[in-house]
Amino acid sequence: GENVEQHPSTLSVQEGDSAVIKCTYSDSASNYFPWYKQELGKRPQLIIDIRSNVGEKKDQRIAVTLNKTAKHFSLHITETQPEDSAVYFCAATAGSGNTGKLIFGQGTTLQVKP
Amino acid sequence: SQTIHQWPATLVQPVGSPLSLECTVEGTSNPNLYWYRQAAGRGLQLLFYSVGIGQISSEVPQNLSASRPLDRQFILSSKKLLLSDSGFYLCAWSEDRASYGYTFGSGTRLTVV
Repeated sequence: GENVEQHPSTLSVQEGDSAVIKCTYSDSASNYFPWYKQELGKRPQLIIDIRSNVGEKKDQRIAVTLNKTAKHFSLHITETQPEDSAVYFCAATAGSGNTGKLIFGQGTTLQVKP
Repeated sequence: SQTIHQWPATLVQPVGSPLSLECTVEGTSNPNLYWYRQAAGRGLQLLFYSVGIGQISSEVPQNLSASRPLDRQFILSSKKLLLSDSGFYLCAWSEDRASYGYTFGSGTRLTVV
């Protein structure tokens, strides 16, 4: 079945350093790859997304890259700040038709140390 | 603008009791609707999704069921809760097309005791 693997499960960086989270997916028909940030006890919030016809997308300090051939996509956060500390989830569309179904990775807990 | 409402925010229920969680969306029509569960410290597991009234797809065989009696209402139910049903339940909606992101509800934290 469809599967999304996410690494690492935890990541600790110093404030100002960069953080990279990587995901792989199994469904070759996946065409949309969002990233969500979830703060403790809160709902996941969409922070950036990329579609299959684009290789890279950037929004201020965050960027996402996609390699469709290898079925990899990554989240890059530069100049990390303590408020970036949260759990980050990658996801990929799965299934045919217009279900919009998303399969999520297991999450990465990012800790940014001041 | 579109909004999604989910209630209750927290719930403590005894084993064997019934469950009903409700989710409603405003400001859109014919949304795709989803129920996810997040166990403590874990990822998001898709439980059910619906592309229209009365249309329910189940992703994981379990003790739960879902219904969509109205276009913008999605209900998660159980006749008898198990301890393993504890978790953070999230409702989400998306446009009725593939390749669009979700907006999540605020979630229900369910503890079965």
